[in-house]
Amino acid sequence: QKEVEQDPGPLSVPEGAIVSLNCTYSNSAFQYFMWYRQYSRKGPELLMYTYSSGNKEDGRFTAQVDKSSKYISLFIRDSQPSDSATYLCAMSGNNFNKFYFGSGTKLNVKP
Amino acid sequence: GAGVSQSPSNKVTEKGKDVELRCDPISGHTALYWYRQSLGQGLEFLIYFQGNSAPDKSGLPSDRFSAERTGGSVSTLTIQRTQQEDSAVYLCASSPEGGTSGNTIYFGEGSWLTVV
Repeated sequence: QKEVEQDPGPLSVPEGAIVSLNCTYSNSAFQYFMWYRQYSRKGPELLMYTYSSGNKEDGRFTAQVDKSSKYISLFIRDSQPSDSATYLCAMSGNNFNKFYFGSGTKLNVKP
Repeated sequence: GAGVSQSPSNKVTEKGKDVELRCDPISGHTALYWYRQSLGQGLEFLIYFQGNSAPDKSGLPSDRFSAERTGGSVSTLTIQRTQQEDSAVYLCASSPEGGTSGNTIYFGEGSWLTVV
């Protein structure tokens, strides 16, 4: 079993839709949770960073962490074609030497 | 520079040749990571450097892979006797030490390696 599971998609939605991206994990020691966006042939770009459980909002993006269920989500409101990319979740414990990544969900927002 | 810088951005090499990939982290960042991303796959941890501590090499897939970090800054990942399965994007990332932002890592654009 992988440390982090993420549905690879692809996920195709119309412009303006609300997008929900999710990851599950198995290691209860994970405390720090991140979402990265990766455009084709580019490096991952940090979108959201959350510590422990709870919600965090930044513009059209909301990150949620439910540690009791070992489940994290990223919501994108009013999705735009420019949001079309692969979204990677990542997490780590208090030991910063290794971050564990999901395999990424490919999102396509159609105009 | 402002971000993590990697070179070369693209490299095509013949099977059996050695390659060197370079990473220049964000100024002031003490932690440096190498990850590998194969087509359609997630990021695979390779190696981690933190300050002057011994690196965590637990992710290196074979003894053909090695990495060093000189002066706590620039890092070089070396792949000896390359094989076709080494074809991937090699991503370098860096992170500041401590603080609330100390648990996030910032990536470069990657070095795209093709072994033919």
